[in-house]
Amino acid sequence: DTGVSQDPRHKITKRGQNVTFRCDPISEHNRLYWYRQTLGQGPEFLTYFQNEAQLEKSRLLSDRFSAERPKGSFSTLEIQRTEQGDSAMYLCASSPASSYNEQFFGPGTRLTVL
Amino acid sequence: KQEVTQIPAALSVPEGENLVLNCSFTDSAIYNLQWFRQDPGKGLTSLLLIQSSQREQTSGRLNASLDKSSGRSTLYIAASQPGDSATYLCAAHNFNKFYFGSGTKLNVKP
Repeated sequence: DTGVSQDPRHKITKRGQNVTFRCDPISEHNRLYWYRQTLGQGPEFLTYFQNEAQLEKSRLLSDRFSAERPKGSFSTLEIQRTEQGDSAMYLCASSPASSYNEQFFGPGTRLTVL
Repeated sequence: KQEVTQIPAALSVPEGENLVLNCSFTDSAIYNLQWFRQDPGKGLTSLLLIQSSQREQTSGRLNASLDKSSGRSTLYIAASQPGDSATYLCAAHNFNKFYFGSGTKLNVKP
């Protein structure tokens, strides 16, 4: 069990560019969550998957954001036409079916939009 | 919608002090409450998870309590150490979503 991993750890991009982040959950964890965290704030829920099904999306997730988990394992979060307001830490967490109560977080991807 | 508040926002104490961090939530229909630690620029590390049916959980120098009826949880840290310096976040679990407070930034001075 290597924990939740995220790639890249840091991403600097220019406004208007598209970016994609990847999250690999803990093996056998069938729930996967994406959060966004800005400086001085707690993480805000974006979306979550149970296996490959995306069960809920926050209103924070505008049309420029899309998330996938095609085979029920790793997940990607894409942001199209990035804006400076998208600069944040993007966190991924996973939960096992045996305990949806507890989340295990990855190290996050820090996005800076110039 | 669940609202989670953490007080104080920041705390600075000398090494060795016992301290209490507070977390309050507006919707008492929670499945559980989880406390996390976050170091600067890092992800979240789970510290304690309290199920809705429990009153408290302990791990080493940490003790977390839960009072659902009043919408409050506290994290007690005994004999604080400089290595405890970090941001502490609480999260309330409602209906498959986790709602976080803004955290308490703790600085333990040697």
